Amino acid sequence: EAQVTQNPRYLITVTGKKLTVTCSQNMNHEYMSWYRQDPGLGLRQIYYSMNVEVTDKGDVPEGYKVSRKEKRNFPLILESPSPNQTSLYFCASSFLNPGRGHNYGYTFGSGTRLTVV
Amino acid sequence: EDQVTQSPEALRLQEGESSSLNCSYTVSGLRGLFWYRQDPGKGPEFLFTLYSAGEEKEKERLKATLTKKESFLHITAPKPEDSATYLCAVRILPFSGGYQKVTFGTGTKLQVIP
Repeated sequence: EAQVTQNPRYLITVTGKKLTVTCSQNMNHEYMSWYRQDPGLGLRQIYYSMNVEVTDKGDVPEGYKVSRKEKRNFPLILESPSPNQTSLYFCASSFLNPGRGHNYGYTFGSGTRLTVV
Repeated sequence: EDQVTQSPEALRLQEGESSSLNCSYTVSGLRGLFWYRQDPGKGPEFLFTLYSAGEEKEKERLKATLTKKESFLHITAPKPEDSATYLCAVRILPFSGGYQKVTFGTGTKLQVIP
């Protein structure tokens, strides 16, 4: 089954304790991205990657890091989490240049609900 | 500044009562408009992509249309299982350069009452 897999689904952590949220896709998508979703603010892009070793900032990158060492994986790293990073996080992937029968629409993971206390 | 605005924020319909959701946008360099469905606690699910004014796409009870300034998601004879939040997103190619950017609206929460 074509999917984007995020782990963990739920995470409660304390301020300052480094954490990593993993994301993996099995569709051979070049493009991967991280979003956070907050009430009233919608989905906001944190970082994105167009391919292996190619990453760039989205709209709200402060406090986050990413890496893309393999095409299928795109982990999100919070080096020193703070309470304002409490949110619902989604990983998404898509083709960069979709061929016949494909499109630019994202496939999203199931989300990671992070609480920082 | 690029903006995507969805209305209404929430909509409550009786089963079978058709209606439309609106997504208006003010962007430069539009390269596609997307509709997604999001169920509580889940990731958004892709529904449609529209690329040019006048284009229409259909899937079951849903039909998406696009003009130069807005898109509509028409729901015909909705059923309770259509209850969800519907998100609109635009894909743009910034004139300043760089890669495509996708901006989401805040969504319309639809509730269909049996």
